[in-house]
Amino acid sequence: DTAVSQTPKYLVTQMGNDKSIKCEQNLGHDTMYWYKQDSKKFLKIMFSYNNKELIINETVPNRFSPKSPDKAHLNLHINSLELGDSAVYFCASSRVEGEQFFGPGTRLTVL
Amino acid sequence: AQSVTQLDSQVPVFEEAPVELRCNYSSSVSVYLFWYVQYPNQGLQLLLKYLSGSTLVKGINGFEAEFNKSQTSFHLRKPSVHISDTAEYFCAVSGQSGRRALTFGSGTRLQVQP
Repeated sequence: DTAVSQTPKYLVTQMGNDKSIKCEQNLGHDTMYWYKQDSKKFLKIMFSYNNKELIINETVPNRFSPKSPDKAHLNLHINSLELGDSAVYFCASSRVEGEQFFGPGTRLTVL
Repeated sequence: AQSVTQLDSQVPVFEEAPVELRCNYSSSVSVYLFWYVQYPNQGLQLLLKYLSGSTLVKGINGFEAEFNKSQTSFHLRKPSVHISDTAEYFCAVSGQSGRRALTFGSGTRLQVQP
């Protein structure tokens, strides 16, 4: 069974569109995260949720909106996509203390 | 605030040779330390972690790392690499309390040559 899953794996879309990425974890973890990996492989935290409550919101454009319907899910909705949003987006989860488990990533390409 | 510096962007090495990937960090609070590996077009997999206790940490695939608090370093080592170790390696830190998101280094590309 996949511990942290993301859908879709690839997402190709036009500028200006709205898209969502879904993440689910079956590890029973309390905390979930979204990270962005840019074209130079640099990884940076975007958001963190603990028990469905937003606890970290980095300097991310407000076009990005995370939503956590329950502890096992953290979705990422992006409005008005721009070329610079092209990246790989990783979901992760962890207990309050401990290592983070990462999903396989979603490669977003904005044309 | 925390930061992580991986001094080498690329490390070429021959198969069966030893390797060391360097990582230094800066933080105003106590931290946990991690090494992750990313194979092409895949997610990140935890190699090893330092939470507390012995400063020499052993991980998967024959890797180990040593936490040096005075030098704020957490270098990754393997005594004999294989072709299959070719990947991107990321050092990361998180606070021991409060903010627990990972702060990553810029990554080191390990290229194992036959």
